[in-house]
Amino acid sequence: EDQVTQSPEALRLQEGESSSLNCSYTVSGLRGLFWYRQDPGKGPEFLFTLYSAGEEKEKERLKATLTKKESFLHITAPKPEDSATYLCAVQMRGSQGNLIFGKGTKLSVKP
Amino acid sequence: DAGVIQSPRHEVTEMGQEVTLRCKPISGHDYLFWYRQTMMRGLELLIYFNNNVPIDDSGMPEDRFSAKMPNASFSTLKIQPSEPRDSAVYFCASRRDSFYGYTFGSGTRLTVV
Repeated sequence: EDQVTQSPEALRLQEGESSSLNCSYTVSGLRGLFWYRQDPGKGPEFLFTLYSAGEEKEKERLKATLTKKESFLHITAPKPEDSATYLCAVQMRGSQGNLIFGKGTKLSVKP
Repeated sequence: DAGVIQSPRHEVTEMGQEVTLRCKPISGHDYLFWYRQTMMRGLELLIYFNNNVPIDDSGMPEDRFSAKMPNASFSTLKIQPSEPRDSAVYFCASRRDSFYGYTFGSGTRLTVV
């Protein structure tokens, strides 16, 4: 069965304390891996797409990396405004575009 | 670009009533998706359309749920009759083609009492 598992479920950091979120996947063939940010009461907001192992993407304090079995979202020197739930999703090879989402990691950054 | 527009933002209804959720995708986006989000199960795909045609409705929980896309700028998700276990946040999302990230709407929070 195709699965996407995110860890940890929740993460509390102090401002400036760097860390990483994990997304592991077991799918029959990966076409793309997506990271989203979701704020309370809002829809998920697209961050990155990764297509092949070894690929990296960066945006401000966030960097996403991809291997054949997992992806990491590295957060460098986080600020309180980075607090949100981060969702990982995969698109399988051969699919027309539907994504399978993990349950997310809720990140809290305290000043 | 106004983004994906969903209405209503909140809906409270009594068990047994019909509920209709609405979505206007981004102009030019060929794909439209309906997702349901709960604490227990996360985001689950219900159904998606390509060029207004339903492609996969295997995620629709049961016959009480139906979705339509009469044209490229409008879609509805209907629940009839509604039950308390349908309470969730329902998201609509659209994307330009099969190789890009979705743009989500702000969601409809449905409460069935």
